[in-house]
Amino acid sequence: DTEVTQTPKHLVMGMTNKKSLKCEQHMGHRAMYWYKQKAKKPPELMFVYSYEKLSINESVPSRFSPECPNSSLLNLHLHALQPEDSALYLCASTQSTGALAGELFFGEGSRLTVL
Amino acid sequence: KNEVEQSPQNLTAQEGEFITINCSYSVGISALHWLQQHPGGGIVSLFMLSSGKKKHGRLIATINIQEKHSSLHITASHPRDSAVYICAARSYNTDKLIFGTGTRLQVFP
Repeated sequence: DTEVTQTPKHLVMGMTNKKSLKCEQHMGHRAMYWYKQKAKKPPELMFVYSYEKLSINESVPSRFSPECPNSSLLNLHLHALQPEDSALYLCASTQSTGALAGELFFGEGSRLTVL
Repeated sequence: KNEVEQSPQNLTAQEGEFITINCSYSVGISALHWLQQHPGGGIVSLFMLSSGKKKHGRLIATINIQEKHSSLHITASHPRDSAVYICAARSYNTDKLIFGTGTRLQVFP
């Protein structure tokens, strides 16, 4: 299994809603990433988890809350988002970090629309 | 100046043509990745390079560490190759991926 699975594929939410994005991989990878991608732009790093610990937070607003319950699962909890948060949210994983990171595996993304 | 520069930004080709996309970077890296993204879609990793050359089907990727330059070649291009190709360098210092702005390729039959 060389897949990163993201759910849901599409999400529409109001500014007062609470929702979550989910990412799962069963490759034994110990580094997992959340990226945000706006149209026609490259991905922007949001968070990195290494061995289930948050290792990088790119000064992301607190309305985005990541969680790594175990080595296979990564969640992104969303609360009180703004319309400008509408984007494609991509999850990725690698075997480890640094020089041992290895190949990158991305999910198909969750397309979020905030009304 | 961006730490990872790609050229060209847009590329149009006829089916069957040989295509080259270039990537230059200015930071120390532990690896360089070539990624493909179809419109509205997720990202697929094509290659990870730390030295030399790799080939997969009609795709070839090369890297010159001394010159801090990498190229992605597509031989016998096909309309299904139409996508955005992104070069991403993993910074040795910060361990973060630095993305190029992407090359939008359209291959016409």
